[in-house]
Amino acid sequence: DTEVTQTPKHLVMGMTNKKSLKCEQHMGHRAMYWYKQKAKKPPELMFVYSYEKLSINESVPSRFSPECPNSSLLNLHLHALQPEDSALYLCASSQDETRENIQYFGAGTRLSVL
Amino acid sequence: AQKITQTQPGMFVQEKEAVTLDCTYDTSDQSYGLFWYKQPSSGEMIFLIYQGSYDEQNATEGRYSLNFQKARKSANLVISASQLGDSAMYFCAMREGVSLIQGAQKLVFGQGTRLTINP
Repeated sequence: DTEVTQTPKHLVMGMTNKKSLKCEQHMGHRAMYWYKQKAKKPPELMFVYSYEKLSINESVPSRFSPECPNSSLLNLHLHALQPEDSALYLCASSQDETRENIQYFGAGTRLSVL
Repeated sequence: AQKITQTQPGMFVQEKEAVTLDCTYDTSDQSYGLFWYKQPSSGEMIFLIYQGSYDEQNATEGRYSLNFQKARKSANLVISASQLGDSAMYFCAMREGVSLIQGAQKLVFGQGTRLTINP
């Protein structure tokens, strides 16, 4: 089973709203990732958590706030977003202890900021 | 500098034909990993196949195989007997370094190739 579950699938929010994206995996993976993907572009890494600690932050604006409450769950808190933040947000997880370290992705959350 | 190059923005192939999607990469590391992902219009990124830089044999997974030419720094995806369900965006990606220590590493993607299978 290589399932990564993301909720919600779609989200529309205003620039003054606060919302959260959720990602869950039960594969025992210890690394979890957030990517942002604009239309017709490849995914771009935002954050990486390894063993529940923030490992990589790709200079993401502070209006995006990640959280890893436990090894199975990853959240992305959104506040005061801009219309240009509208994108597909993908979560991924990997074993991080294998030679391959394959990242498995969820189906994403399509975010529209009005 | 672009590390992953996919030169085919779009490809159109007849059903049941084989198709090769090109990918070249640039790295100075001796140890790295190469991946192919499929992204249908639904948005999910589906892992297809992995090739490690030290692997001597080309990777194969069912109808997918990876033509790995290390000296030329290419890692082309070959799909045999294409099906209508293969229509999607395909991304080549690279991870540099060895991931055997705590702290996950970055995956860098190419721009992708949109594959369309015609009946």
